[in-house]
Amino acid sequence: GAGVSQTPSNKVTEKGKYVELRCDPISGHTALYWYRQSLGQGPEFLIYFQGTGAADDSGLPNDRFFAVRPEGSVSTLKIQRTERGDSAVYLCASSPLGGGNTEAFFGQGTRLTVV
Amino acid sequence: AQSVTQPDIHITVSEGASLELRCNYSYGATPYLFWYVQSPGQGLQLLLKYFSGDTLVQGIKGFEAEFKRSQSSFNLRKPSVHWSDAAEYFCAVGGTGGYNKLIFGAGTRLAVHP
Repeated sequence: GAGVSQTPSNKVTEKGKYVELRCDPISGHTALYWYRQSLGQGPEFLIYFQGTGAADDSGLPNDRFFAVRPEGSVSTLKIQRTERGDSAVYLCASSPLGGGNTEAFFGQGTRLTVV
Repeated sequence: AQSVTQPDIHITVSEGASLELRCNYSYGATPYLFWYVQSPGQGLQLLLKYFSGDTLVQGIKGFEAEFKRSQSSFNLRKPSVHWSDAAEYFCAVGGTGGYNKLIFGAGTRLAVHP
């Protein structure tokens, strides 16, 4: 595709349920990032993948959050035992290389609502 | 601690007026600096970035920003605002670790009056 694609665009789930959020990066981009944007805030870094491996997962808030990128392309962010505080827009971004001086292209995000 | 402050939560300007959005940062070294724009239903779009060299950087859509080390600032400017510029603007720092681990400010929401 032309840009970073995230599905679903909206997800409503009940407290305690498990959810998966999907990110399709731009073809050929080796670096992939997940950010979380709470209402009225800027995005917060969650995790960075270079290829298949998570090179920096320091932003994951706790062990209920996990992300994978098994083939170095599509990534899935997984949240177990969701809590109302997990409600936010989850953004995915990709860049052709991992360098900090390369532009990261963002998807439109998945709006997660935990009720 | 590394942080970004955008002092103005909301700004309203008239179409055709000039614009300046403020950004101050706290970072251990000279950071990479970015401005992003987020329109409703759209993803974040990079307006411009500063890595080194000339402290006045030009971006897309007629925007520019100036890095002032002494003030730890990276303010965004546009000489004449268009109605389509109404959006939320985010300043961000980071990337010096070799990847795009960015710290974002809370954003400034820009409204444009006709």
